[in-house]
Amino acid sequence: GDSVTQTEGLVTLTEGLPVMLNCTYQSTYSPFLFWYVQHLNEAPKLLLKSFTDNKRPEHQGFHATLHKSSSSFHLQKSSAQLSDSALYYCASDYGSSGNKLIFGIGTLLSVKP
Amino acid sequence: NTKITQSPRYLILGRANKSLECEQHLGHNAMYWYKQSAEKPPELMFLYNLKQLIRNETVPSRFIPECPDSSKLLLHISAVDPEDSAVYFCASSQGQSNERLFFGHGTKLSVL
Repeated sequence: GDSVTQTEGLVTLTEGLPVMLNCTYQSTYSPFLFWYVQHLNEAPKLLLKSFTDNKRPEHQGFHATLHKSSSSFHLQKSSAQLSDSALYYCASDYGSSGNKLIFGIGTLLSVKP
Repeated sequence: NTKITQSPRYLILGRANKSLECEQHLGHNAMYWYKQSAEKPPELMFLYNLKQLIRNETVPSRFIPECPDSSKLLLHISAVDPEDSAVYFCASSQGQSNERLFFGHGTKLSVL
């Protein structure tokens, strides 16, 4: 069935180093992919969404590229900041009627000084 | 985030009945209830579009949604169970598209 996989449960980085959080999906359709960020005790917020024309979405220094050949939508940032510490969910919208977001299990990013 | 308001913010219950409320001030047509249990991702419970129930996921019958108008959403819970302890997020979007899905701050339900 349709699913989203995030392989890392916890990623710990030193401030200033590059960030890469993995996300792969499995689907018989061509879904939209999303990255949501959730800070402690807050609601999830949309960070990025894939485009149909393969443009690379960017927001707050983060970017992600949808690679249909490898079914991936990895989240990247060139330099981690302390404020980036949060839970990051990759999600997919498989476009069926009554759209439903399917979330991965999430990756906790911890940025240390 | 005052664009989507949820009440109450915290709820502690024994096996009682209670209703969660949500109101959005974004002019969106679609509203959702998501459940987020501890250390798990959000899971869709219900989706309304233009006051019509579009999606009803596998949810215990003690959860009954209500959409009195396109800006308001209720979740009635009867005889809560300890497994219901979670944060319940209301969300909204324009149409059924997830492109601009906004979440409320959530109601944290703790079942004794």
